[in-house]
Amino acid sequence: AQSVTQLGSHVSVSEGALVLLRCNYSSSVPPYLFWYVQYPNQGLQLLLKYTSAATLVKGINGFEAEFKKSETSFHLTKPSAHMSDAAEYFCAVSAGGYNKLIFGAGTRLAVHP
Amino acid sequence: DAGVIQSPRHEVTEMGQEVTLRCKPISGHDYLFWYRQTMMRGLELLIYFNNNVPIDDSGMPEDRFSAKMPNASFSTLKIQPSEPRDSAVYFCASSFPPGQRNTIYFGEGSWLTVV
Repeated sequence: AQSVTQLGSHVSVSEGALVLLRCNYSSSVPPYLFWYVQYPNQGLQLLLKYTSAATLVKGINGFEAEFKKSETSFHLTKPSAHMSDAAEYFCAVSAGGYNKLIFGAGTRLAVHP
Repeated sequence: DAGVIQSPRHEVTEMGQEVTLRCKPISGHDYLFWYRQTMMRGLELLIYFNNNVPIDDSGMPEDRFSAKMPNASFSTLKIQPSEPRDSAVYFCASSFPPGQRNTIYFGEGSWLTVV
């Protein structure tokens, strides 16, 4: 069975600071890993995904994530936060294809001036 | 290109009433998913279809919930009778068959409040 743990339900950073959102996964088979973003009152938008190619994955809006098998982690980073990055971020895992995404509990990112 | 379209966006209903949520997937996608989002349980997969056939409904909470996909461009999620604990955001999503370049696209959700 697959599962995802997101460390920290709320993260607050200053504008221009590094963003680091943590995600650890559990999977009995090689996983596919995803980060989605949800802005207020909207659906989920894919930021990036890992599908067993390069371990460092670049996504939209300047975000990237690194797959570390030894640590079972897929942390999301952005070098410099922008006010528009304030949203909820979800890490998700799927094994054996994209049929079933299992989501983490989400991390709400606040960006203050 | 239109994304996944859900209706209604917001619904408030009384306990015991029937609720029907609707979804139009992206044209050409042959996988369709229904998710529910609550504060307590986060995002949960309720059911998914492949080529209009339900593949896995193990996430459907109980018999009050049912989902259908009569054709490739339309799906419904029905709750009958509704209860206050069904209050949540219900997302529909769609995708091409699983593969390295495919992405699951989500609609904007249906906000359901049962009073």
